[in-house]
Amino acid sequence: DAGVIQSPRHEVTEMGQEVTLRCKPISGHDYLFWYRQTMMRGLELLIYFNNNVPIDDSGMPEDRFSAKMPNASFSTLKIQPSEPRDSAVYFCASSPGQLSTDTQYFGPGTRLTVL
Amino acid sequence: AQKVTQAQTEISVVEKEDVTLDCVYETRDTTYYLFWYKQPPSGELVFLIRRNSFDEQNEISGRYSWNFQKSTSSFNFTITASQVVDSAVYFCALSLTPYSGNTPLVFGKGTRLSVIA
Repeated sequence: DAGVIQSPRHEVTEMGQEVTLRCKPISGHDYLFWYRQTMMRGLELLIYFNNNVPIDDSGMPEDRFSAKMPNASFSTLKIQPSEPRDSAVYFCASSPGQLSTDTQYFGPGTRLTVL
Repeated sequence: AQKVTQAQTEISVVEKEDVTLDCVYETRDTTYYLFWYKQPPSGELVFLIRRNSFDEQNEISGRYSWNFQKSTSSFNFTITASQVVDSAVYFCALSLTPYSGNTPLVFGKGTRLSVIA
């Protein structure tokens, strides 16, 4: 089975530009999570969805960040306008949400560099 | 608030040595799950183990073993006879419901393990 798929794997952009990160969760998983990894703050949650509905977006740093999940197989994280401090690795993870198999499985991440 | 502390920022060992990575957690909940993930130099996060708060039995998987002690709120990870391929950053994480897919993970800052040949 394919794991969580993220694209692009690397993104370099200039300050002020719009950035869109994409995630395809594992088929059949009901939960989707977006995390960000930085040297200073480590791994932290941005937002998560259950059955395409956002449950908790308290980790989204600013209004510049937005996330959507239009269907069960696709989610986007958008940053507009981007700033150098947004440079980080962004991970998407999915989980079945069932007791017996409730581990979160992570995608390979998108390394974002904002110049 | 929930918190995971990995006090060891970096550890360096010589191949074949045993190494223990420490993890201490804080939560007021009585039901929770603990996890370890591995992040090799390639950058992905690889799931290693999940343990629920009601199961304090130690677990062994090959060269890996985990020691869960509720009395000290610790969930330590030992690698026996370390190998160069074990070089990675290891994260301990906590989630707060029996159905851990329902809630986000709270991660520690990670321990970078370097195994030298």
